[in-house]
This record gives sequence, C-alpha cells and structure tokens, in this order.
Amino acid sequence: SQQGEEDPQALSIQEGENATMNCSYKTSINNLQWYRQNSGRGLVHLILIRSNEREKHSGRLRVTLDTSKKSSSLLITASRAADTASYFCAYSGAGSYQLTFGKGTKLSVIP
Amino acid sequence: DTEVTQTPKHLVMGMTNKKSLKCEQHMGHRAMYWYKQKAKKPPELMFVYSYEKLSINESVPSRFSPECPNSSLLNLHLHALQPEDSALYLCASSQPGIRAEAFFGQGTRLTVV
Repeated sequence: SQQGEEDPQALSIQEGENATMNCSYKTSINNLQWYRQNSGRGLVHLILIRSNEREKHSGRLRVTLDTSKKSSSLLITASRAADTASYFCAYSGAGSYQLTFGKGTKLSVIP
Repeated sequence: DTEVTQTPKHLVMGMTNKKSLKCEQHMGHRAMYWYKQKAKKPPELMFVYSYEKLSINESVPSRFSPECPNSSLLNLHLHALQPEDSALYLCASSQPGIRAEAFFGQGTRLTVV
C-alpha cells in the first residue's frame, strides 16, 4: 500500500487560532477519513468525506477534498487545548475498504 | 454505540509466552481489522476479516495468528514474539462497503521482553 503524506509533521498554535493540516495521496480513492489520536491510544473517528464530495463540516471541523490534486485538508477552527493530539488521514483505494494512513500531524495547542 | 473494546489495555510478555489479544464490537459490522502501530508512526494494516473470513493478510509473520470466532469478536494470538514486535495493536471494525467509516478500539500496548 502507498502511504499518504501529511504536512506539517508538527504544528504548534495558540488556543483560539485555527489549525490546518494537509494530506496527499497517490491512488484513486473511495473516501478519505480523518482521525485523532491522543497520547498513542486509540484512534477517534472525526469525519469521512466521499470521493464525490468537495467539502464537509462537522462542528469546528472542516474537511476539503480535491481529487484532481489527490489532496485533502482538515481545518480545526477556534482551537482548544483539548485538541492537542496527532491527526491522521486515512483513505481506501478504489474497490477496496482497506485503510491506508498518512504519516500524521502532531498538533499542540498552547493555552 | 460506536464502541470497539479491546482487552487487555497493556500486556508484557516474554519471548516464549503465548498470549491473546481480544477485540469486541456490537455495531453489527461485518469487517474487522488488526493494525500495528509503532511509536510516532501511523498504523499499519495486519489483517482484515470480512464476514468472519480472512480476506487480507499483509505478509504478517506466522507468530501472529488471527481468529474471528463470530461477527462480534476478533482475536490475535501471539506466540514466540520478538522485542521488535512491541507496539500498540489496534482493532477496528466497519461495514465491508467501500464508503464505510471505520471505528477503532483504544488499543493494546504490547511489550515483549
């Protein structure tokens, strides 16, 4: 499987600021999902965007998908200290439901 | 209920031990997965079960043996592991469709000594 790339690898912001993370991939995809992971524990599912969607919102989260550029972004608005975590994108390739993960972005929100 | 439950949370085992990791979900999902995650790395797929049948084995060494006794349970049997197998082992489940969300458990932190 071809691992996705995420940037930045690490991001440090002040509480209240917005955080943007990007994900690029190399194959055709069915959908792309974003996950949060606190301190090396389980992955929490944040949002799924389908290949025929361009933008999706959930609370303070906004995800975009550009299949022509094979990229996605996750925007967290009005960040909180509790948002401090690692964020991973994960996608399933055409005809598969097997997830391939990006390398992740470690977000630190400073109170 | 979007919960996937993994037990134990932590496990320390010697290289000659046999142990099992357990995973349970009650969301009616018919696809279940084992992932391995090393520190500061993304999860890597190990096995996929679809309708209780092993559908993907990502060239995992035979010292890891998965089992899916029924649609709610997934086990990972461990035998003769090496210290480099120390990692966080994550279980996930989803519907086996290509547009389905996958939900993960909290993981088992495994240390091989």
